[in-house]
Amino acid sequence: GAVVSQHPSWVICKSGTSVKIECRSLDFQATTMFWYRQFPKQSLMLMATSNEGSKATYEQGVEKDKFLINHASLTLSTLTVTSAHPEDSSFYICSARGIRVTKNIQYFGAGTRLSVL
Amino acid sequence: TQLLEQSPQFLSIQEGENLTVYCNSSSVFSSLQWYRQEPGEGPVLLVTVVTGGEVKKLKRLTFQFGDARKDSSLHITAAQPGDTGLYLCADYQGGKLIFGQGTELSVKP
Repeated sequence: GAVVSQHPSWVICKSGTSVKIECRSLDFQATTMFWYRQFPKQSLMLMATSNEGSKATYEQGVEKDKFLINHASLTLSTLTVTSAHPEDSSFYICSARGIRVTKNIQYFGAGTRLSVL
Repeated sequence: TQLLEQSPQFLSIQEGENLTVYCNSSSVFSSLQWYRQEPGEGPVLLVTVVTGGEVKKLKRLTFQFGDARKDSSLHITAAQPGDTGLYLCADYQGGKLIFGQGTELSVKP
């Protein structure tokens, strides 16, 4: 089946530093990738949608200059949290949808837990 | 914007009990999906329902889709501790998968 790999699974950083999270589709080409954020005991909130080779589309209220998304290839998207602060601590999950996998199905990574000290 | 409301938010039961969780929408679902998520993991797709009145079974899980395609339920028979997790319904809106608030299920041995 389609596999999405996310790295790292857990990262701790100091306030003010930047953190990059990678999302890879291992066995299919992901034309569209999605980034979600999840706070404890809450649901997944969509942050942005990215299509390969295009600028990401951000949801309302998500700062595009703070959460930089790059989708440079059909198998890799990255999310960079710039100048991270404690309130950015959360569980970040990527998801991918491809052209040769089941329609309307998104495949999810295992998530990255970000802790900002 | 479509709102997906799930109930109950939290559910704590004993092993062997039955339970039902609900997902309701302010508008017609396009393609309703149910997911289960364990702590520290990404959500895992359980089922997709598309047709009004549809019923799907997955072992001890029974999924129902309302005739009007605005509500759905997930029924678990004889719950086990391994069923513990966050159950999420989701629907596609404008090409994006949007999630309900989730039901946190805890099954105690």
